[in-house]
Amino acid sequence: GQQLNQSPQSMFIQEGEDVSMNCTSSSIFNTWLWYKQDPGEGPVLLIALYKAGELTSNGRLTAQFGITRKDSFLNISASIPSDVGIYFCAGRIGANSKLTFGKGITLSVRP
Amino acid sequence: SQTIHQWPATLVQPVGSPLSLECTVEGTSNPNLYWYRQAAGRGLQLLFYSVGIGQISSEVPQNLSASRPQDRQFILSSKKLLLSDSGFYLCAWSLRDRLTEAFFGQGTRLTVV
Repeated sequence: GQQLNQSPQSMFIQEGEDVSMNCTSSSIFNTWLWYKQDPGEGPVLLIALYKAGELTSNGRLTAQFGITRKDSFLNISASIPSDVGIYFCAGRIGANSKLTFGKGITLSVRP
Repeated sequence: SQTIHQWPATLVQPVGSPLSLECTVEGTSNPNLYWYRQAAGRGLQLLFYSVGIGQISSEVPQNLSASRPQDRQFILSSKKLLLSDSGFYLCAWSLRDRLTEAFFGQGTRLTVV
């Protein structure tokens, strides 16, 4: 079945550092999405990617849709304390197909 | 603009009691709708998704059911709750026939006691 792999489960960085997260799959996805979830709230979309090779930025965040369509990465530059949260990758195969999520990475930022 | 409403925000229910969580979307038509469950603050498990009124796909066998009585209304139900049904339930929507993102509600924290 469709699965998205995110690891490690947790990451700990120092404020001001850059961090990169990867998401991989054995299946091809035609949309890749990155979400952030704060405690007790629903996930919020950070970046959406629709085309293989696409590189998109949103402030300090940059994400890329892998050429093979089987992976994506998210970079956060110059981390700040409010970057703390759970980061999920998600993918969709078709327009009306389900949205598959990775297990998420919990990011901690030390001041 | 589109908005998604999910309620209640928190719920404490005894084992064996029924459940009804409601989700409505405003500002769009014919959305795809989803129910996810998140246990222990990690991982989103897709429970149900719907591409139209009365059309429900179940992803995992469980003690829950879903219904879509109206185009923009999605309901998660149970006849008898189990302790294992505790978790954070999230409703989401996306545009029909589009390879676009999904937008989430604020979630319902369900504790079965």
